[in-house]
Amino acid sequence: KNQVEQSPQSLIILEGKNCTLQCNYTVSPFSNLRWYKQDTGRGPVSLTIMTFSENTKSNGRYTATLDADTKQSSLHITASQLSDSASYICVVSANSGYALNFGKGTSLLVTP
Amino acid sequence: DADVTQTPRNRITKTGKRIMLECSQTKGHDRMYWYRQDPGLGLQLIYYSFDVKDINKGEISDGYSVSRQAQAKFSLSLESAIPNQTALYFCATSDRTGGQAFFGQGTRLTVV
Repeated sequence: KNQVEQSPQSLIILEGKNCTLQCNYTVSPFSNLRWYKQDTGRGPVSLTIMTFSENTKSNGRYTATLDADTKQSSLHITASQLSDSASYICVVSANSGYALNFGKGTSLLVTP
Repeated sequence: DADVTQTPRNRITKTGKRIMLECSQTKGHDRMYWYRQDPGLGLQLIYYSFDVKDINKGEISDGYSVSRQAQAKFSLSLESAIPNQTALYFCATSDRTGGQAFFGQGTRLTVV
């Protein structure tokens, strides 16, 4: 069964600090991995996409890494802002089946 | 205009009533999905459709039904609503590669 596990489940950090969110998956055959940001009560919005051959990709203060051998990804947020408070969801796509496998998300709270 | 539009945005209904949630998209995507999200939990797949004549059950399809009326339209029905179906419902679309999913703004459903 394809699975996507995220850690930690929740995280509280001070404004300006950095943090790293983790995603481990067993999805196969692997197609790509995306990180989404979901603000409370809103639909998720894509932050980054990683394909098999990519190790790192940045989007402003967000940097995603992928190790396809160990099936792990991380999302690093630099110099956090209050607006970063949201749920971050890892989604791994397979080349077969219904293709979208969601993690349960990490709830991030950035405090002043 | 939003790429993925859900109606209604909010709905309060009584136990036992039939209710339909509608989703339309302008992305031209073949694949459409319905998810529910409960507080503190991740997105759970209810139904998905890869084409107009294709309907597939997700993780939690009991108590729900869907209709893919056209490529751009995918509706979710609760034949006899019950209180534990109170949740935030999201419609999403993706292209044939199963890549980035585009989400609607969500429908907040309350069953009393």
